Amino acid sequence: DAKTTQPNSMESNEEEPVHLPCNHSTISGTDYIHWYRQLPSQGPEYVIHGLTSNVNNRMASLAIAEDRKSSTLILHRATLRDAAVYYCIRGSAGYARQLTFGSGTQLTVLP
Amino acid sequence: GAVVSQHPSWVICKSGTSVKIECRSLDFQATTMFWYRQFPKQSLMLMATSNEGSKATYEQGVEKDKFLINHASLTLSTLTVTSAHPEDSSFYICSARDFLGQGVYGYTFGSGTRLTVV
Repeated sequence: DAKTTQPNSMESNEEEPVHLPCNHSTISGTDYIHWYRQLPSQGPEYVIHGLTSNVNNRMASLAIAEDRKSSTLILHRATLRDAAVYYCIRGSAGYARQLTFGSGTQLTVLP
Repeated sequence: GAVVSQHPSWVICKSGTSVKIECRSLDFQATTMFWYRQFPKQSLMLMATSNEGSKATYEQGVEKDKFLINHASLTLSTLTVTSAHPEDSSFYICSARDFLGQGVYGYTFGSGTRLTVV
């Protein structure tokens, strides 16, 4: 049970921002929110993670709702190379157990 | 950042033969590695957790005698698919725990192995 809900697919135009939503209404107070993405025929790669505050890194931004029941991954300028399946995953802090992957969101970037 | 090297990237084998897939952590020690399987258009499914120096822990429904896991060192875990059959054809992916900082652990994944059994 992945315990997160994401849309199956989304489309974006190249060089436009993309907002990928994720619902995690049963998240516990200590669970982190991790985002990974999987490009075609590759293993997943880490994108970003957060607990309560919004987070930014070189790849993306993560906006976490105040009640922590949802979050949004933001790609500020989508490129064709960002076309991938994006997974939102709940994970406990510390020496965490294995990740449980849901179905993810297939992002298509249109030129 | 942490790098996990997985080999081979693809392999084709005959039905009934065995195939070994290697997963190496290149610049860090991985006491625990994970093996996933992914069928086309599906998500990753955890097969087993590999612990250095001890027996692997298999998920329910995964045959431990068919999918042999060895984690003999802190940088190498191997998955051997024994007596492979066409239904074992899949994309196999390993991962290792990685420290993200501030008490949070994430995971670094290998590039995957496409197994085709003919």
